Formats: sequence, structure tokens, C-alpha cells
Amino acid sequence: AQTVTQSQPEMSVQEAETVTLSCTYDTSENNYYLFWYKQPPSRQMILVIRQEAYKQQNATENRFSVNFQKAAKSFSLKISDSQLGDTAMYFCAFMKARGNSGNTPLVFGKGTRLSVIA
Amino acid sequence: DSGVTQTPKHLITATGQRVTLRCSPRSGDLSVYWYQQSLDQGLQFLIQYYNGEERAKGNILERFSAQQFPDLHSELNLSSLELGDSALYFCASSGLQGTYTDTQYFGPGTRLTVL
Repeated sequence: AQTVTQSQPEMSVQEAETVTLSCTYDTSENNYYLFWYKQPPSRQMILVIRQEAYKQQNATENRFSVNFQKAAKSFSLKISDSQLGDTAMYFCAFMKARGNSGNTPLVFGKGTRLSVIA
Repeated sequence: DSGVTQTPKHLITATGQRVTLRCSPRSGDLSVYWYQQSLDQGLQFLIQYYNGEERAKGNILERFSAQQFPDLHSELNLSSLELGDSALYFCASSGLQGTYTDTQYFGPGTRLTVL
């Protein structure tokens, strides 16, 4: 079974600064996907970024980027130029790839609560 | 807006009762997933349907059941409710196999309170 660990329950960052959220996972699979989801106070789950395990290049989405280290099973999220609207719970998630057999469920970490301070 | 809709937004009921949560996936998505988010258990996968058929089962109690209908909407039925069933229930959907399908998009959730 896969497990996802987020070792930082809470973090804070000053507005306009950079912050990195950590995530490690354990799996024996070779083909999988990793995701970061954001859950603001509205409780909506919003996709932030995704990474395919077969890709060496780290994914980026505007101010959000990841550092994917496959051998170390590490998948950290970097938020640059932090904004007040980035205040949220951030979940790291793992999904096994099933190829043509369809998708599989997500396995989530416990989350990191990020506060952006003005 | 993810394109996934869930009704109702809030549900308050008593122990021992039965409720039905409804989910409409994004247009064209064949897979529907149900997740439960509680304070002590985090986000837990309950069950997955693909084009009307059950595809995977997670930590779903026997008191809970689900189905996916021909129009691809899904319902999660929770019966003999207990206080511990109070949680936020999410539905997510993802697309056809063989295309850009590996991402699950979440609905706004149904907050269930059992009194």
C-alpha cells in the first residue's frame, strides 16, 4: 500500500516571500502521478499542480513549482511571491497509474496548513 | 469552478437516519470517486465507479453504498447514521482512459452533520 507523509502540520510565510512544503511517499510502483491540492477556508479542493513520475522535468504552474526526486521519493511544493490568497491547507496526493485500465484513487497526506502573513 | 456538482451543500440529520448525497461529474467524465474528510481521519477514499460499474473500494462501511447511473451521475447512500459519520463528503471525477485523464477534479463537497 502507498503512503504519503507531510511532516509539517503548519507553516507560515510573509507576503511576497517564498515557502516550500515537504512531501514524501512510499511506493513500490514505477508508474504513478503526484499532485498538490489546495483547500482554502471555503473547503473546496483545488488542483495546484501535477507531476508524472516518468518525467524528469519538474512541473511548474505560474508561482507554483515542484521539486520531484524520484529516487528519494520526495515531492516538495515551492510557492514563490506568496499571496494572502495562498492561505490554505495543502495536500500532497499519490495516484498509481493503471495505463489503459483506468485511473485509481488518490492517497492523501495529512496536509500542511499554510498561513500567509501581511 | 471544477465542473463537478454536489447536492446538497449541507445536511443535518439525526442518528439512525438515512441520507443520499448526489454528484454530477464533469461533462464526459466516466469515473466518479467518493472521499470522506473528517477531522481525525483526513481524506479517505470510499469508492470509485467507472461508467456505471464499481471499480475500486476503499474504507467504506457496510452501512454505506453507492451507485452510478446511466447518465453518469452518482449517489452515495449513508444509512443507520452515527455521530462519527459527520464529515465533509467529496465527489471527484476524471476523464476517459487513454486521454489526459489522470487528474481528479473535486466538487464543492457535502457537509453532513449527524446529531
